[in-house]
Amino acid sequence: LAKTTQPISMDSYEGQEVNITCSHNNIATNDYITWYQQFPSQGPRFIIQGYKTKVTNEVASLFIPADRKSSTLSLPRVSLSDTAVYYCLVGDISGGSNYKLTFGKGTLLTVNP
Amino acid sequence: SAVISQKPSRDICQRGTSLTIQCQVDSQVTMMFWYRQQPGQSLTLIATANQGSEATYESGFVIDKFPISRPNLTFSTLTVSNMSPEDSSIYLCSVVTPDRDEQYFGPGTRLTVT
Repeated sequence: LAKTTQPISMDSYEGQEVNITCSHNNIATNDYITWYQQFPSQGPRFIIQGYKTKVTNEVASLFIPADRKSSTLSLPRVSLSDTAVYYCLVGDISGGSNYKLTFGKGTLLTVNP
Repeated sequence: SAVISQKPSRDICQRGTSLTIQCQVDSQVTMMFWYRQQPGQSLTLIATANQGSEATYESGFVIDKFPISRPNLTFSTLTVSNMSPEDSSIYLCSVVTPDRDEQYFGPGTRLTVT
């Protein structure tokens, strides 16, 4: 399973764009990159998922370079409610016994007023 | 999407006893998982709950301690047996929808063992 490395914590201010980078040097060909958000006392919530290049949804963007050894989650114009732990996961989601998502330590993002 | 409910939401138990946690999904799903999240830590996968067969456990977790049932495609239980204070954690149920594009998590069960 590919191991991920992310910053333990980040600080930002309301209205700023936040970029959280994750390293996954030994990502496998079949692995996808997925980001989750977790608030205290809640289960993780899916944010975005991608395989290569750029993916964008109504919440965030995910940038993946050609070598796929890292990825960057971009949160535009954060608010106080975006304060949470963000997890980067790498895994094979093609199904069967290969499907497994392993959580790393996550990044605690604190958005200040 | 999938909506997951767990029962109980929290419990305080005495050491040596067992607790069964229920996970109910609002739609049929092929893959269900059980995770543990200890205070201030990340999530650790306990096992994959297989419908109609024995669960597949991760390293460090055994069936005698964490027996799992999955009688159908919408329901599973995790039992924490012979509990000790080290078992105090949040236990989360998770599912993958048939199209496999997202993994959803339940709200968790907060277990405290005294």
